[in-house]
Amino acid sequence: GENVEQHPSTLSVQEGDSAVIKCTYSDSASNYFPWYKQELGKGPQLIIDIRSNVGEKKDQRIAVTLNKTAKHFSLHITETQPEDSAVYFCAASGSGTSYGKLTFGQGTILTVHP
Amino acid sequence: EAGVTQFPSHSVIEKGQTVTLRCDPISGHDNLYWYRRVMGKEIKFLLHFVKESKQDESGMPNNRFLAERTGGTYSTLKVQPAELEDSGVYFCASSQEARYWNEQFFGPGTRLTVL
Repeated sequence: GENVEQHPSTLSVQEGDSAVIKCTYSDSASNYFPWYKQELGKGPQLIIDIRSNVGEKKDQRIAVTLNKTAKHFSLHITETQPEDSAVYFCAASGSGTSYGKLTFGQGTILTVHP
Repeated sequence: EAGVTQFPSHSVIEKGQTVTLRCDPISGHDNLYWYRRVMGKEIKFLLHFVKESKQDESGMPNNRFLAERTGGTYSTLKVQPAELEDSGVYFCASSQEARYWNEQFFGPGTRLTVL
């Protein structure tokens, strides 16, 4: 089955800096890669996603890149703000009959210091 | 529009007892998923309903877990009997269409503590 590895497990940055979180996946049949943000006491919330026919996608301060050959994808947050502090999860899905199953990475605790 | 709701928000039970978690998906969403996060590890898939049918239950850990979705609306996840290792946060999610790229909307989770 699919396996997703996420790094780093914790990331601390100063406000205004950029943050990068990286994930690798094992199943070459996966073709959908969402990123979720989880704040304290809440469920994960989708912040950006990318499909396998796209190499890069951007939404304001957030961007995701995908390298299908190397089987890795990354989340880039620019001009970080304290409200960006949360746990971020990458995920992969889209393989075969388990098309709805999201396989998550271990999560990254991002702390943005004012 | 109301989001995915889960009840209870927190449950504390003793080993050997039974607990039932409930999830109400977003109205009109045919797809309902259960996930679990144990002890700060990754969020793991448990199962996927399409309406009232189980599309994929490959993540269910053992037969102590029973999920139902009668009538294709809300879903329940029963753990009987509960063991210590069942402690964690149980998330429910729903999506509108049966396509892999469809956004899954997550509920706030139920934190289960088994003593």
